[in-house]
Amino acid sequence: SQKIEQNSEALNIQEGKTATLTCNYTNYSPAYLQWYRQDPGRGPVFLLLIRENEKEKRKERLKVTFDTTLKQSLFHITASQPADSATYLCALNGGSQGNLIFGKGTKLSVKP
Amino acid sequence: DVKVTQSSRYLVKRTGEKVFLECVQDMDHENMFWYRQDPGLGLRLIYFSYDVKMKEKGDIPEGYSVSREKKERFSLILESASTNQTSMYLCASSFVGQGTGEQFFGPGTRLTVL
Repeated sequence: SQKIEQNSEALNIQEGKTATLTCNYTNYSPAYLQWYRQDPGRGPVFLLLIRENEKEKRKERLKVTFDTTLKQSLFHITASQPADSATYLCALNGGSQGNLIFGKGTKLSVKP
Repeated sequence: DVKVTQSSRYLVKRTGEKVFLECVQDMDHENMFWYRQDPGLGLRLIYFSYDVKMKEKGDIPEGYSVSREKKERFSLILESASTNQTSMYLCASSFVGQGTGEQFFGPGTRLTVL
């Protein structure tokens, strides 16, 4: 069965630096991969989706890459701010009915 | 503004009680999902539904059942609550068809079973 790993449970960086989060999967290449943000005590919020035929996607300070050879997606936040502190989850399609398989998340802390 | 609402933010129940968690979405989405989230284990899918009266087991359905009588409402039922069902429960919905497949989540219900 498909497994997802987000390599770091926690990542601490200084304000202004670029945060890079990693998501690896083990089996079949998914049709798409998604990234979500989750704040404490709240539900996840969708950020970006990248399809299997796309190498890179950008949205404001966010950039996602997708390497089907390495079976890996990287999620970058440039010019990070303390307000970016949250847990970031990656997810990929788990079946034909639209269900997703989620990684356990990486908790990002951006220090002023 | 699209919305998924859950009936309670916090709930405390006793072992053996029957517990109902309600979820309502206003986006006319076909798909609805119930997850639980525990520290170190991430989001785990309990059940999902892709249409009214249809349901599919997720990864951890034991001890739970669901009901979807109307498109906008998806209920999670704990027939006899146990302490190991203490968790954060999250409901989500998504659109079927050509779309991103993104899921819209509710705010969550933190359930404590004593």
